[in-house]
Amino acid sequence: AQTVTQSQPEMSVQEAETVTLSCTYDTSESDYYLFWYKQPPSRQMILVIRQEAYKQQNATENRFSVNFQKAAKSFSLKISDSQLGDAAMYFCACETSGSRLTFGEGTQLTVNP
Amino acid sequence: DTAVSQTPKYLVTQMGNDKSIKCEQNLGHDTMYWYKQDSKKFLKIMFSYNNKELIINETVPNRFSPKSPDKAHLNLHINSLELGDSAVYFCASSYYGTSGNEQYFGPGTRLTVT
Repeated sequence: AQTVTQSQPEMSVQEAETVTLSCTYDTSESDYYLFWYKQPPSRQMILVIRQEAYKQQNATENRFSVNFQKAAKSFSLKISDSQLGDAAMYFCACETSGSRLTFGEGTQLTVNP
Repeated sequence: DTAVSQTPKYLVTQMGNDKSIKCEQNLGHDTMYWYKQDSKKFLKIMFSYNNKELIINETVPNRFSPKSPDKAHLNLHINSLELGDSAVYFCASSYYGTSGNEQYFGPGTRLTVT
């Protein structure tokens, strides 16, 4: 079984600043993927970024990047130049065999103008 | 075009009733899922079907029964609804396998049991 832990229930950031959301995970499988999903007030789940566990290079998608520390089983999300539209609940998730996706508890991000 | 659709988006019903939520995807994916998001926003997988075959069946009361008539549809039937069933239920779809394939989520169905 795998577990995903997000230790920050809430975070806030000023518009245009940078914020980092933390995530740790645990799995016994050697083949897995990690994701960050965003859930705005509309309730829609939106993929933000994904990371292959076998790749050392950290994934980047525009203003979003991750810091993947495999040995520490840590997978944090950095949002640069934060925008008002980034305000949402962010979920870290781990995919293991059989397309099984396990989510963390979520971090509610507030962006202050 | 809607990729993953769910009906209804809101469902209010009384305890003891039986209800169904329907899900359809037009992405050509071979795997579909049901997730439950509770009042604390925690998302947990309930079921997963690959080509109409059940592959994930988490510890869920027997009152919940998924049905997949074809690989584009996955419905969720709930018998004898209880107050604790109140939640948002998400359908999702993807290609099968541990390959980092994105799961595409529907808009969710907010179920309220009174």
